[in-house]
Amino acid sequence: DAGVIQSPRHEVTEMGQEVTLRCKPISGHNSLFWYRQTMMRGLELLIYFNNNVPIDDSGMPEDRFSAKMPNASFSTLKIQPSEPRDSAVYFCASSPGVTNEKLFFGSGTQLSVL
Amino acid sequence: GENVEQHPSTLSVQEGDSAVIKCTYSDSASNYFPWYKQELGKGPQLIIDIRSNVGEKKDQRIAVTLNKTAKHFSLHITETQPEDSAVYFCASLTGGGNKLTFGTGTQLKVEL
Repeated sequence: DAGVIQSPRHEVTEMGQEVTLRCKPISGHNSLFWYRQTMMRGLELLIYFNNNVPIDDSGMPEDRFSAKMPNASFSTLKIQPSEPRDSAVYFCASSPGVTNEKLFFGSGTQLSVL
Repeated sequence: GENVEQHPSTLSVQEGDSAVIKCTYSDSASNYFPWYKQELGKGPQLIIDIRSNVGEKKDQRIAVTLNKTAKHFSLHITETQPEDSAVYFCASLTGGGNKLTFGTGTQLKVEL
């Protein structure tokens, strides 16, 4: 299995632009998670889905952030409009169960908002 | 909510020595404690985990211990090798399995 696939690996954009991050979970996994990693705040859970349904989005920082999972093999995290403080590494992870156990992380998207 | 504290933030050991990383958690309902290893430019990778009904678990050179009374759990790496150099994160999962809270990470450096 190729593991969790994220794209792009790096994204550099200007403040105010829309940013879309993409994720393909491991086939057969029921749950998908979006995390953000910064030096200041560490690893933060933004949102997670179970069977394509959003379960907990309490970590989404603002209305500028939105996430979708239209089917079992694809999810997006969108930031519109982007701000410099959104600069971070964004990870997607999937797990075979319905809980947060045994997460498999992708390689992340390094986002820089200038 | 759950609070996970991790110490030390950096740890440097000589190859062949042991390394110990410690974490504490606050929510007595937490029942699952994984450890993740993150190498440069990669996502975290699960290396070992322990449930609250177990006091110790070992997998080759790594082991994890859990003290539920004190709300402490630790990662032990024996016979360290250069490839063990990475950032290690502890985490705890509250009852219901809804939220995994990560510690702040330990940068481990194994020197030759």
